[in-house]
Amino acid sequence: QSALTQPASVSGSPGQSITISCTGTSSDVGTYDLVSWYQQHPGRAPKLMIYEGTKRPSGISNRFSASKSGNTASLTISGLQAEDEADYHCCSYAGGSSSSLVFGGGTKLTVL
Amino acid sequence: QLQLQESGPGLVKPSETLSLTCSVSGGSISSSSYYWGWIRQPPGKGLEWIGSIYYTGTTYYHSSFETRVTISVDTSKYQSSLKLNSVTAADTAVYYCATAISGSYYHFDSWGQGTLVTVSS
Repeated sequence: QSALTQPASVSGSPGQSITISCTGTSSDVGTYDLVSWYQQHPGRAPKLMIYEGTKRPSGISNRFSASKSGNTASLTISGLQAEDEADYHCCSYAGGSSSSLVFGGGTKLTVL
Repeated sequence: QLQLQESGPGLVKPSETLSLTCSVSGGSISSSSYYWGWIRQPPGKGLEWIGSIYYTGTTYYHSSFETRVTISVDTSKYQSSLKLNSVTAADTAVYYCATAISGSYYHFDSWGQGTLVTVSS
């Protein structure tokens, strides 16, 4: 149950699009369409942005979208806004005897 | 809308037991089929799933913690509890409880504010 791999940081200018990758294995991301993404501002609790791979909770902007290819899931934020600057964490179901969930190390998004 | 609140000692001595409680308001954990998760975040690091419990009491633990963690639920008190034994400095983290209003096991849409637990003598 190793952590998923995310880039430590990404950046973009307002109005641009950025993509954050989340690489797992064939035992987690590659097998299950159960990746979720969380936004976390400093000192705050995480906020669910994407669940079950591509679904957005009610109230989440359609500027946030997600996809998967093989063992890598991706979160895309279009039309970057200053308020999008935050840490982003991915999480995948990893199954196994303990029905594990595994998180990535988190990615710091800077809006230039 | 559920509100979750973690509580417990902010300072625990090495080798002792970390004990936290998650209290729920705005809903009923006894009348809905919720999973309750505990997640932690060491300072400056990413999130780490510790384990989850179903409202029936069935537990699921991360293999890294399974020998020293106990998660329980008390539906009569609308609470879930986390106990982590034999703590070390590496267990210093913000601890969150979380759940999904939909009843999903696989993601968390309601989180507590988190509580910082420092392990130090």
